[in-house]
Amino acid sequence: NAGVTQTPKFQVLKTGQSMTLQCAQDMNHNSMYWYRQDPGMGLRLIYYSASEGTTDKGEVPNGYNVSRLNKREFSLRLESAAPSQTSVYFCASSEIVGGAEDGVFGPGTRLTVL
Amino acid sequence: AQSVTQLGSHVSVSEGALVLLRCNYSSSVPPYLFWYVQYPNQGLQLLLKYTSAATLVKGINGFEAEFKKSETSFHLTKPSAHMSDAAEYFCAVSSYNQGGKLIFGQGTELSVKP
Repeated sequence: NAGVTQTPKFQVLKTGQSMTLQCAQDMNHNSMYWYRQDPGMGLRLIYYSASEGTTDKGEVPNGYNVSRLNKREFSLRLESAAPSQTSVYFCASSEIVGGAEDGVFGPGTRLTVL
Repeated sequence: AQSVTQLGSHVSVSEGALVLLRCNYSSSVPPYLFWYVQYPNQGLQLLLKYTSAATLVKGINGFEAEFKKSETSFHLTKPSAHMSDAAEYFCAVSSYNQGGKLIFGQGTELSVKP
């Protein structure tokens, strides 16, 4: 039982390059999330998927796209990376029964955009 | 709308001293409240959560938090700090109608002096 896994762990991009961050969970959770963490700002929700086949914008969706490939996998894509997207990205999953379920977080992807 | 404010971006205590990390929330519906801990270069780990049962919640590693509706607070405490408690701590809020989405505070970095 690996929980939530993310790849890659580290990435350096040049401005304008594209990349996809991968996330997978093996807990059979329905809901998955992408957050970004910036110093002094906590974690902010980028996109989420309440169930397989659905995705919705969070607080800071601009510059990102997501795909819920199946129940296990939820990817985050940067089409044209910008320095403002330098951050640590966390994927999380949870099973929604009334909303009180805590998220299980992956180890993070540290992205630098030059 | 929901929000979380953590008072103090950095707290320093001596080993063996009381740890108090402050969190105030805003929510128009009954909140679910969470404390997460993040050790350096790692993901987030749940410490404890409040989901409308007992107002005093006990978590892992000797931490506890008390939900005070009148003060809209959910402060985290530990009677005696250990060196291993040095980490960043995040307070988060959700509710039954948020689909598991978490709103995080800015984080408080806890340092423990020998």
